[in-house]
Amino acid sequence: EVQLVESGGGLVKPGRSLRLSCTASGFTFGDYAMTWFRQAPGKGLEWVGFIRSKAYGGTTEYAASVKGRFTISRDDSKTIAYLQMNSLKTEDTAVYYCTGTYSYSHFDYWGQGTLVTVSS
Amino acid sequence: SYVLTQPPSVSVAPGKTATITCGGNSIGSKSVHWYQQKPGQAPVLVIFYDTDRPSGIPERFSGSNSGNTATLTISRVEAGDEADYYCQLWDSYSDHPVFGGGTKLTVL
Repeated sequence: EVQLVESGGGLVKPGRSLRLSCTASGFTFGDYAMTWFRQAPGKGLEWVGFIRSKAYGGTTEYAASVKGRFTISRDDSKTIAYLQMNSLKTEDTAVYYCTGTYSYSHFDYWGQGTLVTVSS
Repeated sequence: SYVLTQPPSVSVAPGKTATITCGGNSIGSKSVHWYQQKPGQAPVLVIFYDTDRPSGIPERFSGSNSGNTATLTISRVEAGDEADYYCQLWDSYSDHPVFGGGTKLTVL
């Protein structure tokens, strides 16, 4: 059974940092591009960024809204993807979802999400 | 960046057919995927590559894609189908996924 479990969310003050983790199981983690999305309260889904598999260079791409502040990394030996969030803003408040894509097209597997609240 | 346009809401009576559209420039030349999201839950893939259904998704869910519009059709709508539905594609030009704004399906 495929499982993606996000953790690390919580309440943080503006300007501070937070690191989210996504622990995966049930599929060949190393073959997948791991992607982060977020959903602000009452809003739609927003792509945050992704990290390619090692076979595709392990490189990263980010949405303009987070570029330079957020960093995605992966540890294939532990099957964990990370989202390091720095210089957090109130508008980063959202549920953050971890997903995987093999084909760079659609997303078969989703975590349950973790809530990040940025507030003073 | 590529833009996908969905109606904010669609209402349908139980047992009837719901049609949710997703508009985009020449979207028919791209692969479109659809997700269902119920309150407090993660999205669930219901259609991929325009017309394919993942295992476990009822046959009542179908998709089509042509011209400038992709469509998700839900036949014999049930109360349990009430949810937000999002279309998505991978924008090859910008090399990242794009979502539509979502459509809230209300079962009357």
